[in-house]
Amino acid sequence: ETGVTQTPRHLVMGMTNKKSLKCEQHLGHNAMYWYKQSAKKPLELMFVYSLEERVENNSVPSRFSPECPNSSHLFLHLHTLQPEDSALYLCASSQEVGTGGHEQYFGPGTRLTVT
Amino acid sequence: GQNIDQPTEMTATEGAIVQINCTYQTSGFNGLFWYQQHAGEAPTFLSYNVLDGLEEKGRFSSFLSRSKGYSYLLLKELQMKDSASYLCAAMDSNYQLIWGAGTKLIIKP
Repeated sequence: ETGVTQTPRHLVMGMTNKKSLKCEQHLGHNAMYWYKQSAKKPLELMFVYSLEERVENNSVPSRFSPECPNSSHLFLHLHTLQPEDSALYLCASSQEVGTGGHEQYFGPGTRLTVT
Repeated sequence: GQNIDQPTEMTATEGAIVQINCTYQTSGFNGLFWYQQHAGEAPTFLSYNVLDGLEEKGRFSSFLSRSKGYSYLLLKELQMKDSASYLCAAMDSNYQLIWGAGTKLIIKP
């Protein structure tokens, strides 16, 4: 247990569906992140939030829409996804953004399959 | 561009020592992280180096050379539970983590 939870753990959706991934951190951190992890590829940073404000959006397609209602919760809304979006989606949190030395704590991820 | 290189896969024997290397090229540098990720699980933090030298933490040690853009993770007295992927990540001048693809470590009895 890292103090970061994600639901659902597994998700299968069609290309026309709309679904949401949820992340919650119980660590009192101010920063939260969404990453995409594909097999044998580096983690890809998608979005960064600091105190509920988005501070980074790494050229992610608009079919991925993040939401951060408070510093403990982060959502990733999905719509009209493509098969190449199938991957493990990881949420992480850290004490702060923009300072060194603060490790990120990861949730267990949501394994997404787009059919 | 920014880049992290680490071997794709390594094999070692239970009880032995293994060294996983990582080279990095980033715009600025604010430290080097190592994470462990067991299959189907979350990455977990192992170590952070920002100054040159060796940091020891139990059976695991991490080394950094900033001038060479090089780090390694040293695992001693290997146990079967050490079978996992080991992720190297360098923090750039914007405090973003640049990740390697991970090294899958296979431990054999």
